[in-house]
Amino acid sequence: EIVLTQSPGTLSLSPGERATLSCRASQTVNSRFLAWYQRKPGQPPRLLLYAASSRATGIPDRFSGRWSGTDFTLTISRLEPEDFAVYFCHQYGSSPPITFGQGTRLEI
Amino acid sequence: DVQMVESGGDLVKPGGSLRLSCVVSGITFSNALMNWVRQAPGKGLEWVGRIKTETDGRTVDYAESVRGRFTISRDDSRDTLYLHMSSLKIEDTAVYHCMTIRQRYGDGYWGQGVLVTVSS
Repeated sequence: EIVLTQSPGTLSLSPGERATLSCRASQTVNSRFLAWYQRKPGQPPRLLLYAASSRATGIPDRFSGRWSGTDFTLTISRLEPEDFAVYFCHQYGSSPPITFGQGTRLEI
Repeated sequence: DVQMVESGGDLVKPGGSLRLSCVVSGITFSNALMNWVRQAPGKGLEWVGRIKTETDGRTVDYAESVRGRFTISRDDSRDTLYLHMSSLKIEDTAVYHCMTIRQRYGDGYWGQGVLVTVSS
């Protein structure tokens, strides 16, 4: 099973700042099948990026993703007030099991 | 608008059975690989299983924790995904979500989730 470890657990920043969130896989992940989500209380997760770096429909360009080996990064270039939420990564490759990171809480 | 609406959650005793449904609208359901994902209280997200499209043989995969007890099916004529749960255990208590990612269209969706409580 591929374990996804996210860091930091909590990230405290201010609007306008840059946020960098990490997701490290325990083994090789096909970058085509790595997604990032945003989750707010009482709402289902919102897909931000798929295939590690492709923005989902309607996602603003301040959200970006990159990867190197087993390390995946979500960057929010300039935080808006609505960006404060929990973010998690998700690998959904062709071979189960599919796994999720434990999440990073982005707080003001 | 795309909607994925789960139903069927309930309080059930250990060893009992339950069927969850997920009705999907706003996308071509028959073309979507569908997943069930759960989140137990205070825990992270856990993948339960998935079912591929008819084109891909409706292949079903399960997490080890539910294999042999849960069955995923789909009715493309009703745009509905099912999760049949049997031999339920206390540790199956969770909010269950249906979800899909459609890379071809650059989108993905989750339902709001439905609560299943297994308790005596």
